[in-house]
Amino acid sequence: EDKVVQSPLSLVVHEGDTVTLNCSYEVTNFRSLLWYKQEKKAPTFLFMLTSSGIEKKSGRLSSILDKKELFSILNITATQTGDSAVYLCALRTGTASKLTFGTGTRLQVTL
Amino acid sequence: NAGVTQTPKFRVLKTGQSMTLLCAQDMNHEYMYWYRQDPGMGLRLIHYSVGEGTTAKGEVPDGYNVSRLKKQNFLLGLESAAPSQTSVYFCASSLQGWITEAFFGQGTRLTVV
Repeated sequence: EDKVVQSPLSLVVHEGDTVTLNCSYEVTNFRSLLWYKQEKKAPTFLFMLTSSGIEKKSGRLSSILDKKELFSILNITATQTGDSAVYLCALRTGTASKLTFGTGTRLQVTL
Repeated sequence: NAGVTQTPKFRVLKTGQSMTLLCAQDMNHEYMYWYRQDPGMGLRLIHYSVGEGTTAKGEVPDGYNVSRLKKQNFLLGLESAAPSQTSVYFCASSLQGWITEAFFGQGTRLTVV
């Protein structure tokens, strides 16, 4: 059975801090790893990673995948209160249709 | 620019009642999905569809049925609601499965009492 584990479960930081969120996995037939941000409602797409060692970057957010050690990290630098959300990691495996989500990391950024 | 629209946004049902959740997308996407999200459980796939007229079971299909009669709509039915189906339900769609970005609806909060 595919397994996606995110850590920490929750995190409180001060504005301006840098945070690293972790996603480790055990899956068969890996296709890609995706990161989503979920504020109050719908998850919104951040990154899709398919190859090891290639960093994806968008503003203050970046992510990298290690397919040998089976994990990914999501970095957020110079955090802002608007970064407060649940960050979801998901693995796409096998056929194009199946996506397995982790339980998420709840990030709270305080002033 | 509606994207993915779910109706209703909130609903309270009594045990044994039935209801249908509607998901509509205006992006001409082939793939559509229904997930449920429960505290500490993440998003779990209920059913999905890879095109008009097709449906398939996900991880947690029991107690639910779906239909995709039109490409833009994906319906999730609960024939006899149970308290264990209290959850937040999300619909998502994508152009080519998860190869491309998926867009989520705003969610439906369902409470079964």
